[in-house]
Amino acid sequence: AQSVTQLGSHVSVSEGALVLLRCNYSSSVPPYLFWYVQYPNQGLQLLLKYTSAATLVKGINGFEAEFKKSETSFHLTKPSAHMSDAAEYFCAVTAYTGGFKTIFGAGTRLFVKA
Amino acid sequence: NAGVTQTPKFQVLKTGQSMTLQCAQDMNHEYMSWYRQDPGMGLRLIHYSVGAGITDQGEVPNGYNVSRSTTEDFPLRLLSAAPSQTSVYFCASRSPERNIQYFGAGTRLSVL
Repeated sequence: AQSVTQLGSHVSVSEGALVLLRCNYSSSVPPYLFWYVQYPNQGLQLLLKYTSAATLVKGINGFEAEFKKSETSFHLTKPSAHMSDAAEYFCAVTAYTGGFKTIFGAGTRLFVKA
Repeated sequence: NAGVTQTPKFQVLKTGQSMTLQCAQDMNHEYMSWYRQDPGMGLRLIHYSVGAGITDQGEVPNGYNVSRSTTEDFPLRLLSAAPSQTSVYFCASRSPERNIQYFGAGTRLSVL
């Protein structure tokens, strides 16, 4: 079985500041890890994914995430926040346990202050 | 370039009414799924399908039925709506090559 924990339901940063959204996972088999973004009244869009090719994954809009197996973490970062980054972010884990199932974290809402 | 299309976008039901949420995808994906999104709980898997004629339960299947007669369509049925089913519902299909899920825009359902 797999699970995902996102630390902090709300994160607030100033425009231009570092964005750090935390995600820890557990999985009994090697996982695929994802970050999705949801803008108001829209569905989820993929930001980036980890599939074991490289531990540092670069995504769209300047976001990246680092897979750390020893810490079972997959934190999302962006060096400089922009107002347009304000959204809700979801970490997700997919693992094959007789079939592919994806488990989502509870989400972290990012606020960006001018 | 439609992707995953959900209808309706909004729906208000009375307790006990039934309805079907429609989901269609044009990417020829075998794997499709339904999630519900509630504040502070992320997305929870209701039902999923790995191909036409094959469906299975997710985390929160009670009160919902699904069927998959074609690759393109995966409707979600509420047989007797309850206020606890007030939520935003998302349909998704998965690309097998890239293992990425593509989401519809969602259906916002209120049960009074």
